[in-house]
Amino acid sequence: GAGVSQSPSNKVTEKGKDVELRCDPISGHTALYWYRQRLGQGLEFLIYFQGNSAPDKSGLPSDRFSAERTGESVSTLTIQRTQQEDSAVYLCASSLEGSDSPLHFGNGTRLTVT
Amino acid sequence: KQEVTQIPAALSVPEGENLVLNCSFTDSAIYNLQWFRQDPGKGLTSLLLIQSSQREQTSGRLNASLDKSSGRSTLYIAASQPGDSATYLCAVPNSGNTPLVFGKGTRLSVIA
Repeated sequence: GAGVSQSPSNKVTEKGKDVELRCDPISGHTALYWYRQRLGQGLEFLIYFQGNSAPDKSGLPSDRFSAERTGESVSTLTIQRTQQEDSAVYLCASSLEGSDSPLHFGNGTRLTVT
Repeated sequence: KQEVTQIPAALSVPEGENLVLNCSFTDSAIYNLQWFRQDPGKGLTSLLLIQSSQREQTSGRLNASLDKSSGRSTLYIAASQPGDSATYLCAVPNSGNTPLVFGKGTRLSVIA
């Protein structure tokens, strides 16, 4: 079946512009995560959605970052007024039931802020 | 705060060698431990998930062990092949409803 799909695969934007990244999780997966991976760095947790519970937003680095998820389907990560330090690969993952199940990752969106 | 460390950061071995990758974590009250591989320009692929009550998991040439009390896990790769070249990451959640904390990975190169 289809895996986790992310779009766009690459995004180049000018500093100060807003960007929206999309994630389509595997059907039936109740948990959805966003991570950020800067060049040469480990994965940095951003936000976690689990079913109808309030999302865990503890990893969002500033109020310029926000994310939404409609039910148990698509999620969008929005970065407002982008800065050069926002340049990174943004990875989305989904799983059946939170951390008790293996995570399935998309191929990521490579964001470059010029 | 949970911290995950992986040693070595990079490893290069000739084809056919057996090898061990190490992962340590500071808070032993983990829910499970997961190993992933990441190929360049790609997302992560789940390799093995070890529940906190288990000691090891095996999948093909891969064997992962877990010593929760000492905060350590190892990933053993038998008879390495060039196709095993990738970055290997380990990750732990502190409960069933918290996000995984990742190590920075070990970049493995298997030379033909």
